[in-house]
Amino acid sequence: QLQLQESGPGLVKPSETLSLTCTVSGGSISSSTYYWGWIRQPPGKGLEWIGYIYYSGSTYYNPSLKSRVTISLDTSKNHFSLKLNSVTAADTAVYYCARWGGQQLPPLVWGQGTLVTVSS
Amino acid sequence: AIQLTQSPSSLSASVGDRVTITCRASQGIATALTWYQQKPGKAPRLLIYDASILESGVPSRFSGTGSGTDFTLTISSLQPEDFATYFCQQFIGSPFTFGGGTKVEIK
Repeated sequence: QLQLQESGPGLVKPSETLSLTCTVSGGSISSSTYYWGWIRQPPGKGLEWIGYIYYSGSTYYNPSLKSRVTISLDTSKNHFSLKLNSVTAADTAVYYCARWGGQQLPPLVWGQGTLVTVSS
Repeated sequence: AIQLTQSPSSLSASVGDRVTITCRASQGIATALTWYQQKPGKAPRLLIYDASILESGVPSRFSGTGSGTDFTLTISSLQPEDFATYFCQQFIGSPFTFGGGTKVEIK
């Protein structure tokens, strides 16, 4: 059974880079067809699609975040990563990693989420 | 970006009630709409995709209808485990935006 687990610092200073990793177990991120990516949710608020990466390495980002976001795959470690630079308090959120079965399909497998707080 | 407006933002209902939540898109999205259920501290759970297709394992009391700009999620007989927040999301084009959510509370 495929499982995703987010990890990374829970506290990031303003203007620095938020870095998270999603470790995949029970399946390979090199499998064709799938997209691997991130969604976030500020405390008490709605959800925002950040972006995803295809197994081939092609990336798709939310235009509102595109200038600050990088999603990458590490097939040797079977994980993928999120980097968001120049963070502000508005980037405080629970960050979920997920797997999509297709470019225009909903994610079927989610991680449990990890709270990242941006504060000095 | 396509905006999704959910209504109501919250509602109170009793076990056994029929509940309807609406999601309106700022432009036509065919049937490229998904509904999720989210409980506190948990990731969203997929309920319905393509506006009306029930995800495997989701109880049949959940149903979805609509196309174009207007969509509804209906719970035919609310159960205790259905008290949660519900979100819609469109998949017609990037960015894949979400509605603001509808919190279903116990009356």
